[in-house]
Amino acid sequence: QVQLQQSGPGLVKPSQTLSLTCAISGDSVSSNSATWNWIRQSPSRGLEWLGRTHYRSKWYNDYAESVKSRIIVKPDTSKNQFSLHLDSVTPEDTAMYYCARESTGAYSDWGQGALVTVSS
Amino acid sequence: QTVVTQEPSLTVSPGGTVTLTCASSTGAVTSGYYPNWIQQKPGQAPRALISNASNKHSWTPARFSGSLLGGKAALTLSGVQPEDEADYYCLVYYGGAWVFGGGTKLTVL
Repeated sequence: QVQLQQSGPGLVKPSQTLSLTCAISGDSVSSNSATWNWIRQSPSRGLEWLGRTHYRSKWYNDYAESVKSRIIVKPDTSKNQFSLHLDSVTPEDTAMYYCARESTGAYSDWGQGALVTVSS
Repeated sequence: QTVVTQEPSLTVSPGGTVTLTCASSTGAVTSGYYPNWIQQKPGQAPRALISNASNKHSWTPARFSGSLLGGKAALTLSGVQPEDEADYYCLVYYGGAWVFGGGTKLTVL
């Protein structure tokens, strides 16, 4: 049973960087069969896939076009976790953020969610 | 920009059957798009019900089934229960990126 535990600040000031972490238990961030994803949800944008990291002999990242210029998803093998960094945030980035594991096309495991508010 | 379209809302009677669909702006949804169906109840995190168009998770009730139907991904609920009232989202893979549909609000009435 894979569990994902999210952590990070709930309030970020405009123009700053939003950073969240997703700690993994029951699998490895270096798994050759899983991808590690960030998803957000807001009333205005619905559910939105943001990006992912995965390891297939080397590390790969993919990002949604809507945030591609200001997002980084990074693995941390020493802590078996992965993180989201979203630069230059605006109030439009206020949302519930989820991490999720995908393997062989199946989104089987989700974090509990973290509400991030962008406000001064 | 790729758009995934779902019915905004549907209503079904308890014990009835309903089919939700998921269409892609790029053309037919096939198994190569790995369509997932995600359920979300108020105040809860999303939970996957169906992956790869028709594969159920161990926790997916038997009354839920997924298929590919007329160029779309479809989620059918047979023998609907009151607790099935929720938002349902499809999630589709486009070679390096995933895209969510806008969701269907299912009312059991």
